[in-house]
Amino acid sequence: AQKITQTQPGMFVQEKEAVTLDCTYDTSDPSYGLFWYKQPSSGEMIFLIYQGSYDQQNATEGRYSLNFQKARKSANLVISASQLGDSAMYFCAMREGQGNFNKFYFGSGTKLNVKP
Amino acid sequence: GAVVSQHPSWVICKSGTSVKIECRSLDFQATTMFWYRQFPKQSLMLMATSNEGSKATYEQGVEKDKFLINHASLTLSTLTVTSAHPEDSSFYICSAMGQYQETQYFGPGTRLLVL
Repeated sequence: AQKITQTQPGMFVQEKEAVTLDCTYDTSDPSYGLFWYKQPSSGEMIFLIYQGSYDQQNATEGRYSLNFQKARKSANLVISASQLGDSAMYFCAMREGQGNFNKFYFGSGTKLNVKP
Repeated sequence: GAVVSQHPSWVICKSGTSVKIECRSLDFQATTMFWYRQFPKQSLMLMATSNEGSKATYEQGVEKDKFLINHASLTLSTLTVTSAHPEDSSFYICSAMGQYQETQYFGPGTRLLVL
């Protein structure tokens, strides 16, 4: 089974509107981490936001928020007030393990296009 | 903070030559470093995980004699593609993680083209 599933290969959003990028995960570990990364056309992977499996509150970082629904095993990224510079690939990822035995799993990505 | 550098950013080489890529954590000690490969329009594929002072753990299907990984210090890991062939052409990305960090931090990547 896929560890991370992103079902939206591509998304369009109008500038200044909010957009939700979907992510579901599969794990039997009680302790895990969920992440979103942005990859612009330059190729660099940029860390956006982190949610721990034991965190009660949804993570927020500026215009990014992570809608964590543990029972549904979903970790959707919400970008508010989209900007043209948000156009990029977005990857959802999960970390299993601890200490020196971490392993990260990545989804297939969602390409976001922000329209002016 | 949490800056990772990667050199070179671009490399073009002839088939049969070896290429070394360096990954450095500039402002933190990286107890774990990861090496990924990414094909165009695809996700990241983990090649190997290395912990400082230990041998790298390779993912299934990755040839350890082909992709030599060394993590000799807490700030440096290297990936050597030995006897490179055109099918090794790809985007290689390293990442680093400190002992008390929640996430990995990525280098800018290296585009390898083997002619």
